[in-house]
Parts: sequence; structure tokens; C-alpha cells
Amino acid sequence: GQQLNQSPQSMFIQEGEDVSMNCTSSSIFNTWLWYKQDPGEGPVLLIALYKAGELTSNGRLTAQFGITRKDSFLNISASIPSDVGIYFCAGQLPGAGSYQLTFGKGTKLSVIP
Amino acid sequence: EPEVTQTPSHQVTQMGQEVILRCVPISNHLYFYWYRQILGQKVEFLVSFYNNEISEKSEIFDDQFSVERPDGSNFTLKIRSTKLEDSAMYFCASTKRGNQPQHFGDGTRLSIL
Repeated sequence: GQQLNQSPQSMFIQEGEDVSMNCTSSSIFNTWLWYKQDPGEGPVLLIALYKAGELTSNGRLTAQFGITRKDSFLNISASIPSDVGIYFCAGQLPGAGSYQLTFGKGTKLSVIP
Repeated sequence: EPEVTQTPSHQVTQMGQEVILRCVPISNHLYFYWYRQILGQKVEFLVSFYNNEISEKSEIFDDQFSVERPDGSNFTLKIRSTKLEDSAMYFCASTKRGNQPQHFGDGTRLSIL
């Protein structure tokens, strides 16, 4: 199946620092989504991106849909302890009626107060 | 805000037994999905369902799996004869239209003994 390469796998940062993570693929995606997952819960949507080059913010979070449509990044500014969790990128491949999501392996974020 | 709800939160079953996982999608949504996440791994697509039929399925979704929308609110995943490797978190998701972001439930943890 299609692979999304997400990096880094994990990161430890000080509270207040900015964070950046990204996903790349050898395939073109129509849609890029970023989700956060807390332990024992389902993925929660953070940001959805629909067009190449699109830059979207949600509070302290900013994500971009790469121009090539093969990559996306997520930035978190001024991190706080509740940002701890696993962040997943997910993409929808082009194709009529194809809406399944392909997920990256996740970036585990730890914030040191 | 409307939510996808899943029951039970944890299901323990003997290998070889049948198990049914239940989901109540968001009420005006028309597209329904099942995903699974083996412990510590990424979320993987299983199946999508629209207009009372399967629209896509992955290679994981073999003959042991089936889905059903038995009434206007529930969406179920049945595993006919469970195997040890079926142990995972199973997530249900739904959307109003196929190309909209998928909203996930909190999952059912399935443990096969």
C-alpha cells in the first residue's frame, strides 16, 4: 500500500519551544489531514488541507500542503504541556470515490514543563 | 459538538469466537469507515461504506470481516472467527460527504485470548 513517511518519530521539547514535523510520500495526495491522538482515545482532527500550497492555521498550529502535493508539515508554536500526544498525518489519494485515509506512523511529542 | 460513539470500549474474546463492534456515526453523516490500530503502530484503513454497500476495502478486510448498517443509526463491524492478530484498537469514522475530514470515535480495544 501507499506509505507516508512521517518524521521525527518522537521529540522532547521544553515548554514554550516551537515544534515542526512533516510527512512525505512518493505519491500525490488530494487532501492532507493532521490528527492528534491522546492515550486511549481516537484521532482528533487538527487541520485539513485541500489545495497545493495551502497554508492553514488553527490557533498555535499551522500546517501547509506542499506544492508538489507529496508532502505536508505541521508547526506548533509556543508549546504547552497539553500538546503532549501523538500527531499523525493522513492523506487521501486521488481517485473517484476513494476516500480512505493513509496514515503516517506518528510523531510522539513530549513537552517538558 | 456531535460525536461518533463506539461500544464497547474494551472487548475481550476467546480466539475463534465471533465479535461485533458497534458504532453510532454522527447523525447526518452518510459515509462510514472502520480503521484499526495495532498497539504502537499506525492507523490502517479497513473498509468504507456508503449507500448501504461497501465502497472500498483493504487487503486486511478479508472474508472473516463484514460490516452492516442494521438500522438508521448503527454501523457494525463483525469478525467471524477471531485470531490472535486481530487484537487491536478499532476505530469508526464518519463524514457527511466523502471528501470531508473524517471524525473518529474513541475506539474499541479488542483483546483476543
